[in-house]
Amino acid sequence: GDSVTQMEGPVTLSEEAFLTINCTYTATGYPSLFWYVQYPGEGLQLLLKATKADDKGSNKGFEATYRKETTSFHLEKGSVQVSDSAVYFCALSDRSRAYGQNFVFGPGTRLSVLP
Amino acid sequence: EADIYQTPRYLVIGTGKKITLECSQTMGHDKMYWYQQDPGMELHLIHYSYGVNSTEKGDLSSESTVSRIRTEHFPLTLESARPSHTSQYLCASSDLGGLAEEQFFGPGTRLTVL
Repeated sequence: GDSVTQMEGPVTLSEEAFLTINCTYTATGYPSLFWYVQYPGEGLQLLLKATKADDKGSNKGFEATYRKETTSFHLEKGSVQVSDSAVYFCALSDRSRAYGQNFVFGPGTRLSVLP
Repeated sequence: EADIYQTPRYLVIGTGKKITLECSQTMGHDKMYWYQQDPGMELHLIHYSYGVNSTEKGDLSSESTVSRIRTEHFPLTLESARPSHTSQYLCASSDLGGLAEEQFFGPGTRLTVL
């Protein structure tokens, strides 16, 4: 079945450091890919998405490129801030399966940014 | 403003009590979901629905039940709460057949069973 793998955390960085959180996936169909962010005490918020190969999703300084050849969707940010401290989830939606459990989340990566 | 709501946000109850966690969305989405989130952060799908009168069990076995009588409402019920039910419960919805079909999440209910 479909699956999503993320780098294990926690990830601890200093403010203004470069961030990469790796995400790879396996899917039988043609998935859309997502990054969600969860701040303490809140639900998940969509951070960015990409619906086809080579698409780049971007938002709030974060970017991720849909790489079909490496089945990856790594999250990057050039300069992190303390306010970016949160848990980040990579996810896929397999549109070839309209019914059934077609949305898969990775296990999440906790990011802590120190001032 | 289109949104997804969960009540209560926090609930502390004793063992054996019956509880219902409420979830409502104003986006007209067909699909709705309930996730249980453990302290290690991982999300576990416990129930989902394609639309009115449709309910399905998810990956994680749960003693809870759900109903979908109205499109916008997807409550989760525990008939007899136990300490093992202590967790964060997240409700989500998505547009069936949408291009990307991203899920939209409520703020969650943190349940503690004593």
